Amino acid sequence: NAGVTQTPKFQVLKTGQSMTLQCAQDMNHEYMSWYRQDPGMGLRLIHYSVGAGITDQGEVPNGYNVSRSTTEDFPLRLLSAAPSQTSVYFCASSYGQGLQYFGPGTRLTVL
Amino acid sequence: GQQVMQIPQYQHVQEGEDFTTYCNSSTTLSNIQWYKQRPGGHPVFLIQLVKSGEVKKQKRLTFQFGEAKKNSSLHITATQTTDVGTYFCAGYNYGGSQGNLIFGKGTKLSVKP
Repeated sequence: NAGVTQTPKFQVLKTGQSMTLQCAQDMNHEYMSWYRQDPGMGLRLIHYSVGAGITDQGEVPNGYNVSRSTTEDFPLRLLSAAPSQTSVYFCASSYGQGLQYFGPGTRLTVL
Repeated sequence: GQQVMQIPQYQHVQEGEDFTTYCNSSTTLSNIQWYKQRPGGHPVFLIQLVKSGEVKKQKRLTFQFGEAKKNSSLHITATQTTDVGTYFCAGYNYGGSQGNLIFGKGTKLSVKP
């Protein structure tokens, strides 16, 4: 099993550009989540999904969209990048409310 | 909304000293999870506590879940340099949205050899 994979590992965007961060898991987990991690702020939940076709907002959803068309994939879309979205983004999956498996992260810089 | 507070934010210890981090929630939790993140890495699951008053041990690590299921602690006995990293607690709000796992801000542990 590859576990949770994320692409790209690094990305630099200009303000106003859009992009999609990819996340995939091969463990048949129902739950998938996106977090952002900023210094001193811990992990903040952006969006999450409890199954294909079901998504919900977390603590900091503004400026991000998600969809869950399959169990395996949970892409995160930045609609119009802003410098405040410079962060490290982690995708995670779990079987119900069990332990979360995290991907390696995407380090995003918005200029 | 639900908040999970974690203290201290930083802890510097001499190798061999003990270390404790505390986690407090504003609401009752259905369970609490602990994660460790090494510098430059991603969070890695350590343990999950579910029952009121539960205590679990993993070698030098002891985890406790409060009787009211609103607080938790992680205690490391005789720290080693391999314990360096940031420790996060995370909890699901009891009766809340199924997938909404809230993390504390973490305690960053440094160990001086």
